[in-house]
Amino acid sequence: SQTIHQWPATLVQPVGSPLSLECTVEGTSNPNLYWYRQAAGRGLQLLFYSVGIGQISSEVPQNLSASRPQDRQFILSSKKLLLSDSGFYLCAWSVPGTGGPGAVTGELFFGEGSRLTVL
Amino acid sequence: KNQVEQSPQSLIILEGKNCTLQCNYTVSPFSNLRWYKQDTGRGPVSLTIMTFSENTKSNGRYTATLDADTKQSSLHITASQLSDSASYICVVRVSGTYKYIFGTGTRLKVLA
Repeated sequence: SQTIHQWPATLVQPVGSPLSLECTVEGTSNPNLYWYRQAAGRGLQLLFYSVGIGQISSEVPQNLSASRPQDRQFILSSKKLLLSDSGFYLCAWSVPGTGGPGAVTGELFFGEGSRLTVL
Repeated sequence: KNQVEQSPQSLIILEGKNCTLQCNYTVSPFSNLRWYKQDTGRGPVSLTIMTFSENTKSNGRYTATLDADTKQSSLHITASQLSDSASYICVVRVSGTYKYIFGTGTRLKVLA
């Protein structure tokens, strides 16, 4: 069965420090991968998505970047955190061919989330 | 602008009672609509998926409806349990893209 792991679960970082959140998926190949941010009282905001190794699409221009060094690994990074980067970050995956254009279903499977507090 | 609006924002009910959550969307082109359950501090988990041609779908005590003409969906929870306490998020997928439009959720609390 497929599983998704995301870490760390919680993180407290000072303003200006770097960030690295990691997500890995097991039990599937070439998944579509996503990073979302969930702010209090707001819907999930798509930050990045990837359909393959080295292929990253950014939805919102910001202080963050993403990389996909391996097929089932997705990393969210920042060189210098801002206060506004605080939030709940969720990694997700969907079955290849179902989450993309032209597909009908495309269920998103989410990780457990990472709570980031920037002080 | 693609939007998903949910109501009520929060809801408190007694254990064993039924409740209905609402979702209105203005997403085009429409692909499908899902309801997710999100426990506090956890990732969302899919409950149901509704495509354009489906009107009703059940998953245990959860029943989702979709009216594609009025662009409305509802999630009905029957005989609520304490474990139903969570946020319920309506998500609409934009056809032909990787985009999913998320509602802000309804926070449900079930009291004993």
